[in-house]
Amino acid sequence: DVKVTQSSRYLVKRTGEKVFLECVQDMDHENMFWYRQDPGLGLRLIYFSYDVKMKEKGDIPEGYSVSREKKERFSLILESASTNQTSMYLCASSLPSTLISNQPQHFGDGTRLSIL
Amino acid sequence: TQLLEQSPQFLSIQEGENLTVYCNSSSVFSSLQWYRQEPGEGPVLLVTVVTGGEVKKLKRLTFQFGDARKDSSLHITAAQPGDTGLYLCAGERAYKYIFGTGTRLKVLA
Repeated sequence: DVKVTQSSRYLVKRTGEKVFLECVQDMDHENMFWYRQDPGLGLRLIYFSYDVKMKEKGDIPEGYSVSREKKERFSLILESASTNQTSMYLCASSLPSTLISNQPQHFGDGTRLSIL
Repeated sequence: TQLLEQSPQFLSIQEGENLTVYCNSSSVFSSLQWYRQEPGEGPVLLVTVVTGGEVKKLKRLTFQFGDARKDSSLHITAAQPGDTGLYLCAGERAYKYIFGTGTRLKVLA
């Protein structure tokens, strides 16, 4: 079974802090994704990566950056946290659709981040 | 821009009732997936539909992809409390997934 592990289930930070959210997957997946989930808005893509050191902006990248130094690890960085970044953050991984189409995404259990 | 609208947003029904959840878009997707998310967990894939008009069944759940691959529906027959959760559709385009707004279902015993 694919396992996607997010480092924290709950996190409380203060405005202006630099925040790191870590995600590790154990299935050698090329693709990794970061989403935020807010009520009534579903999941919105922040950034995704299709290979080591490769990244692409999603729909809402402002205020975030990412790092993928190793294939299994994808980090989301809030450069200077603000209260509007309080949310549930979900990491996911998948095989690349270019190789085998319609790949399912495997999600971690999420990090609930509160910015005070 | 929200490309995938789900309806209804909330649904509370009694055990044994039937229900349908809709996922609509004006855009075409190469495939569409349905996920269920339970509290404190990430979404888990239920099914992927690929061909326009395709129908897939998973026990009491029936999924259909629209002929034009712009919309999809999920029908649950004889709902049970274990069906409670957040249902999300996700359309694939250009190797990315666009998620719907979600339908929160509560089935009362």
